[in-house]
Amino acid sequence: QITLKESGPTLVKPTQTLTLTCTFSGFSLSTTEVGVGWIRQPPGKALEWLALIYWDDDKRYSPSVKSRLTITKDTSKNQVVLTMTNMDPVDTATYYCAHFVYGDYYFDYWGQGTLVTVSS
Amino acid sequence: DIQMTQSPSSVSASVGDRVTITCRASQGIARWLAWYQQKPGKAPKLLIYPPSTLQSGVPSRFSGSGSGTDFTLTISSLQPEDFATYYCQQANSFPFTFGPGTKVDIK
Repeated sequence: QITLKESGPTLVKPTQTLTLTCTFSGFSLSTTEVGVGWIRQPPGKALEWLALIYWDDDKRYSPSVKSRLTITKDTSKNQVVLTMTNMDPVDTATYYCAHFVYGDYYFDYWGQGTLVTVSS
Repeated sequence: DIQMTQSPSSVSASVGDRVTITCRASQGIARWLAWYQQKPGKAPKLLIYPPSTLQSGVPSRFSGSGSGTDFTLTISSLQPEDFATYYCQQANSFPFTFGPGTKVDIK
């Protein structure tokens, strides 16, 4: 059974750096054709894909926020970490991590999400 | 980036109705499209993945079709638990993009 859970601060100040951790179980990121992605959703708005990391440490980022993002994995801990610099109030959103199916390119298991508010 | 649009943005329907949601891509994406259902306060749930395959455990009243730029999600007989927002996601190329969503509510 695949499960994922996001953790991190619920409130960050403008210009600060956000660090979110996705802790998962039921699969390994050392297994081929596996990935973990991050998707966010501002309150009342649509989903936005942010970043993806593959089993082989290949990474993909959304161009709209690429300069601010870093995604890393710790295979031994079954964790993926997303770092976003220079946070702004427009970054207020629920952040989800999700298991990614390589080859068919979709997200089949999602975490419950964590709401991050950016405010001074 | 490939832009995704959905229509309608919202639909009011009754239990038992047939509901069709359309998703359009700004350029051809072959059959690389997924559909998700999201209920308030919950994470999205995968319904259909490329090419129009029903995710395990999803009721057969849901179906997807289309290729190229035009896709549809059909709920053949709407059930009370189907009232939610539905999103399409193109899986053809990076950056992955989602549609703006279609809210299905009770008539």
